[in-house]
Amino acid sequence: DAGVIQSPRHEVTEMGQEVTLRCKPISGHNSLFWYRQTMMRGLELLIYFNNNVPIDDSGMPEDRFSAKMPNASFSTLKIQPSEPRDSAVYFCASSFRTGGADTEAFFGQGTRLTVV
Amino acid sequence: GESVGLHLPTLSVQEGDNSIINCAYSNSASDYFIWYKQESGKGPQFIIDIRSNMDKRQGQRVTVLLNKTVKHLSLQIAATQPGDSAVYFCAESPRNQGGKLIFGQGTELSVKP
Repeated sequence: DAGVIQSPRHEVTEMGQEVTLRCKPISGHNSLFWYRQTMMRGLELLIYFNNNVPIDDSGMPEDRFSAKMPNASFSTLKIQPSEPRDSAVYFCASSFRTGGADTEAFFGQGTRLTVV
Repeated sequence: GESVGLHLPTLSVQEGDNSIINCAYSNSASDYFIWYKQESGKGPQFIIDIRSNMDKRQGQRVTVLLNKTVKHLSLQIAATQPGDSAVYFCAESPRNQGGKLIFGQGTELSVKP
C-alpha cells in the first residue's frame, strides 16, 4: 500500500483565495483525521471521520474551514477565504477501528500551505 | 513582528547511549497511547503503542512504559543511532472518542556521532 496520500505537497496562495487540500486514506481504514501543525500550537486535531461520517469537528478553527468525506477513499479540507494565519502544515491520517478498539493512525506527508 | 514558537524540550545524547523521552498526558480516560517520530519535512511515523491494561511494551530497540497513577509515559531507545534524530511525540486516545489522538508538544532528540 502507498500509505496515506495527500495533495498538493505545497500550496502557495493569496489571502482571500479558496484552498482545497486532498487526502486518500489507506485502503480498508475506516477512520480519517485532519491535523494542523504550526510552531506556535504544535499538532492540533481539526476534525475526524468514522465510516465517512464527521464525528468531532470541535477543532475546526472557524467557519472558513470545512471538511468532507464523500466516500471511504477520499476526503477534502477546504479553507474559504484563506488568511495568512492559516499558513501551516496540514496532515491527514487514517486508521482502522474495530469493536471499539483503536489502532495506530498512519500519517500522510502533509501539505505545506502558505497564504501570502 | 517577531513570531514566538514552541520551544521544544531537547535531548542530546551520544551515539550508542540509551535515550529516555518522557511525556505527561492529561486525560485519565485515555486508554491507548502511541509514540510517533517525526523527521524534518515528513509526517509523524508510528513507533510503538501501548494500551492501558499494560505498563510496559517492547519493540525493536524501543520500550514504552506507562504509569497510569501519575499519567506518565516514557519511550526508551536503546543504542541510539544518528538516524534516531527527530522530534518524538506521545499521543493519547481517550476512551470512546472514535480513535481521536491528542498529541503532546514533542521532544527533539539530537544524536551526536
